[in-house]
Amino acid sequence: QVQMVESGGGVVQPGSSLRLSCEASGFIFSNYAMHWVRQAPGKGLEWVAVIWNDSRRKAHADSVKGRFIISRDNSKNTLYLQMNSLRDEDTAVYYCVRDPRKSSNYLEYWGQGTLVTVSS
Amino acid sequence: EIVMTQSPATLSMSPGDRATLSCTATQSVSINLAWYQQKPGQAPRLLIYGASTRATGIPVRVSGSGSGTDFTLTISSLQPEDFAAYYCQQYNNWPYTFGQGTKVEIK
Repeated sequence: QVQMVESGGGVVQPGSSLRLSCEASGFIFSNYAMHWVRQAPGKGLEWVAVIWNDSRRKAHADSVKGRFIISRDNSKNTLYLQMNSLRDEDTAVYYCVRDPRKSSNYLEYWGQGTLVTVSS
Repeated sequence: EIVMTQSPATLSMSPGDRATLSCTATQSVSINLAWYQQKPGQAPRLLIYGASTRATGIPVRVSGSGSGTDFTLTISSLQPEDFAAYYCQQYNNWPYTFGQGTKVEIK
């Protein structure tokens, strides 16, 4: 079955960096676009970034542009989110989500998420 | 950025009731609209894509309609497992955007 397992979350100080990973299984990873979506505690959902199956196209939300970078390694079935210059408002559960296609569409399968807490 | 607005924020209903949730976009998103359900402590789950197509395993009591800027999610007869938060999301333009959510609670 389709499964994504996120890791790399934790407690960090403002201004620091963190890299999230998402290991995928149960499907041919290189055939699908992948997304990151986050949810601040008690709040709604916010789309963060998308990467096409072959990494040729990427997009990031304005709130993270220039600070976060989405990437993938199809040989390792793994999606990444490099998070730099972290701010208090980046505190959230970060979900790894599989798209139904090679290019960007809706959010079909969700991982269970990893919590990132930015606090001094 | 396309802003998605959901109404109402909270819907107090009884099991067996018909629930109607609304989602409005500030500009046309065609039918590139999805609905998700989220229960406390869980990841969201895809319910509807293409405004009206049910995702795999979603019961027929859940339906979606609309196009352009106005969309509706209907649950024809609420079951205990339907009490949750619901989010709409447009995937017509980057950045993809979500509505703020509608919580369906037991009256």
